[in-house]
Amino acid sequence: DTGVSQNPRHKITKRGQNVTFRCDPISEHNRLYWYRQTLGQGPEFLTYFQNEAQLEKSRLLSDRFSAERPKGSFSTLEIQRTEQGDSAMYLCASSNRQGSTDTQYFGPGTRLTVL
Amino acid sequence: GQQLNQSPQSMFIQEGEDVSMNCTSSSIFNTWLWYKQEPGEGPVLLIALYKAGELTSNGRLTAQFGITRKDSFLNISASIPSDVGIYFCAGPPYGGSQGNLIFGKGTKLSVKP
Repeated sequence: DTGVSQNPRHKITKRGQNVTFRCDPISEHNRLYWYRQTLGQGPEFLTYFQNEAQLEKSRLLSDRFSAERPKGSFSTLEIQRTEQGDSAMYLCASSNRQGSTDTQYFGPGTRLTVL
Repeated sequence: GQQLNQSPQSMFIQEGEDVSMNCTSSSIFNTWLWYKQEPGEGPVLLIALYKAGELTSNGRLTAQFGITRKDSFLNISASIPSDVGIYFCAGPPYGGSQGNLIFGKGTKLSVKP
């Protein structure tokens, strides 16, 4: 399978714990995005990378959230001191910008439940 | 900020019927994307539109990029049970970063066999 993959698919944690999610983009895609989706809503942008550089962060990305993309391949999203409000689906997408088009392809997501 | 408004919020239709849903914004978009999401999965890209007035088909799906660049619609012909899911429109905000997409809240489609 050459699509975007995310691990784990589900994570249940207790409030105050740290969690880390991984995303493996489509091979050779230079851009990688993180989104958060809550029930009944569309995905909301969190941050994106071009290669290893983090180019934009949403105001939704509080200082408890950090994302990395070492070597410009896979990416990790860490949430420190989780809160119940962090419960959501965390989606990763990748793209290979060519000219004016930049079509994003999504992974299956990681469902986080904070108890 | 820019928002995308999708209508209807939900639809309950009989198998075989045609479906039409749309997406509007108060701001212009240079790209319109239509995604489908099934429970527990990420959104899957259905159709991408890059030019005002563009009409594009993908099997039984047809989407159009509105001339005003402030709207788009998606039609599904002869619906089948596997069309069930939530359909999202999305696009990069005009004049903003090319990095992020704004999504609508989705149209939930239910199909009765």
